[in-house]
Amino acid sequence: EAGVTQFPSHSVIEKGQTVTLRCDPISGHDNLYWYRRVMGKEIKFLLHFVKESKQDESGMPNNRFLAERTGGTYSTLKVQPAELEDSGVYFCASSPGSHQQYFGPGTRLTVT
Amino acid sequence: EDQVTQSPEALRLQEGESSSLNCSYTVSGLRGLFWYRQDPGKGPEFLFTLYSAGEEKEKERLKATLTKKESFLHITAPKPEDSATYLCAVRATTSGTYKYIFGTGTRLKVLA
Repeated sequence: EAGVTQFPSHSVIEKGQTVTLRCDPISGHDNLYWYRRVMGKEIKFLLHFVKESKQDESGMPNNRFLAERTGGTYSTLKVQPAELEDSGVYFCASSPGSHQQYFGPGTRLTVT
Repeated sequence: EDQVTQSPEALRLQEGESSSLNCSYTVSGLRGLFWYRQDPGKGPEFLFTLYSAGEEKEKERLKATLTKKESFLHITAPKPEDSATYLCAVRATTSGTYKYIFGTGTRLKVLA
């Protein structure tokens, strides 16, 4: 069974540019989560989808971040325009229920 | 404020030297405590879920325990391949929604 995949693995962009991160969850998993880890800090929750609906987006930093999950399959997280403080590792996780989560390898975003 | 604190930040052990990692938490409405292992450049890998005080889970050389205020991850006779960052996370409920709160992790290095 394929695990959670994320694309790209690394992204380097300039301040003010737009970046879109993609997450493909494990097939059949209704729950999809986005997290972010800024250097030296803990992993922080961004938002939670149940199928295509946003269950909880209380962790989204500001309106420069937009997450979508069309059709309840893959999800994208767009940052527009990117700022220096957006740098970090963005993790996606999926789960069939509300407990054990399976994490992807992460996307390392560097904003210069 | 909900909080998860892990100690120590880093730990070096000789192969075969048993020890314990600590995860203390202050949350309202605990709905599960999770332990993950994270290797460099990879996403967190699920190890255990604990739900109630007194519960214990074991897997190979690892044993997780839970009290009302903290959890321990006991490592018995560790091997070099146990070297990784160990993350603790809690799932808490607030006003009908669930939140996942991570600690900053313990970096474990096991020397041969």
